Amino acid sequence: GENVEQHPSTLSVQEGDSAVIKCTYSDSASNYFPWYKQELGKRPQLIIDIRSNVGEKKDQRIAVTLNKTAKHFSLHITETQPEDSAVYFCAAKEVWGSARQLTFGSGTQLTVLP
Amino acid sequence: DGGITQSPKYLFRKEGQNVTLSCEQNLNHDAMYWYRQDPGQGLRLIYYSQIVNDFQKGDIAEGYSVSREKKESFPLTVTSAQKNPTAFYLCASSIGTTGETEAFFGQGTRLTVV
Repeated sequence: GENVEQHPSTLSVQEGDSAVIKCTYSDSASNYFPWYKQELGKRPQLIIDIRSNVGEKKDQRIAVTLNKTAKHFSLHITETQPEDSAVYFCAAKEVWGSARQLTFGSGTQLTVLP
Repeated sequence: DGGITQSPKYLFRKEGQNVTLSCEQNLNHDAMYWYRQDPGQGLRLIYYSQIVNDFQKGDIAEGYSVSREKKESFPLTVTSAQKNPTAFYLCASSIGTTGETEAFFGQGTRLTVV
């Protein structure tokens, strides 16, 4: 089955700096890669996703890049703000195949220091 | 507030007792999922259901059981066979299991074995 590894497990940045979280996946059949954000005491929520036929996707201050050959994808947050502090999870999925469940990474605790 | 509701928020159980966690959704979603969240281990899939009266084991199904008698409801029973049940449990739903479908999560239930 799919295995998703996520690094780092914790990340502290100064407000206004950029943050990068990286994930690698094992199953070359995976073709959908969402990112979820879980604020303290709240439920995980989808913040951005990318398909395997796209190399990069951007939404305001957040962007995701995908390298299919290397089987890794990354979340980039620019101009970080205190409200970006949360746990971020990457995930991978084969959209139309038999293994159609999301496999999550282990999470990254991002702390934005004022 | 429509969406997916888990209850209770906190649950205490004595060793050797079974306990059932509730999950209800009013999103008309076909697919529902149960995840276990432990520090540093991300979200691990326990069971999922693609349609009423059908469910499949996830990666860590041992010691758990589910039912899907109604589209809106997907209760999880943590049995006495689960060796380490203390954890945070998240229920989720999506339109289906195929496609790039977003998973909507409940607020979670924190189970503590005392």
